[in-house]
Amino acid sequence: QVQLVQSGAEVKKPGASVRVSCKASAYTFTGYYIHWVRQAPGQGLEWMGWINPNSGYTNYAQNFQGWVTMTRDTSISTAYMEVSRLRSDDTAVYYCARGINGARDFDYWGQGTLVTVSS
Amino acid sequence: DIQMTQSPSSVSASVGDRVTITCRASQGISSWLAWYQQKPGKAPKLLIYAASSLQSGVPSRFSGSGSGTDFTLTISSLQPEDFATYFCLQTNSFPYTFGQGTKLEIK
Repeated sequence: QVQLVQSGAEVKKPGASVRVSCKASAYTFTGYYIHWVRQAPGQGLEWMGWINPNSGYTNYAQNFQGWVTMTRDTSISTAYMEVSRLRSDDTAVYYCARGINGARDFDYWGQGTLVTVSS
Repeated sequence: DIQMTQSPSSVSASVGDRVTITCRASQGISSWLAWYQQKPGKAPKLLIYAASSLQSGVPSRFSGSGSGTDFTLTISSLQPEDFATYFCLQTNSFPYTFGQGTKLEIK
């Protein structure tokens, strides 16, 4: 069955960077976009952007341009999302999700990765 | 950015009740709207896409309607497993934006 398995929880200091991985299985990784969505504690969902695993092309929400980088390694069917210059308000659960229907809908999600930013 | 406003922010209902949640877009989004269900500590789950299409495997008691700026999610007969938070998501234009969520609680 289709699975997206994310890397484990991270604790980082302000100003540091974090990279979250998302390993896909049981489908053709290059055939579907990967989206990233985050959720601050007790808050709603925020779409961060997507990566086309086939081309490597990315599309970031303006709020994240310049300090979030999405990449992929097709040899191991894994997408990555790196956040630099972390601030306390970046504390959130970060999810990856597979895009379908022209990449507009997210049918499979990773389990989420909690990133805590604290001094 | 397109703002998505859900109402109500929370609702209490009983098993067997019919519940409707609404989502309003700040500008027209055609039918590019999806509904997701999220339970505590879990990833969201896709219920409805393209405003009214039921995702495979989702029970038929869930339905969606609307186009343009006004959308609804209806649960025809609440089941115990339906108590969760529901989010709408517009995918008409970037950045994609979610509603703030509607928490469905047991009365």
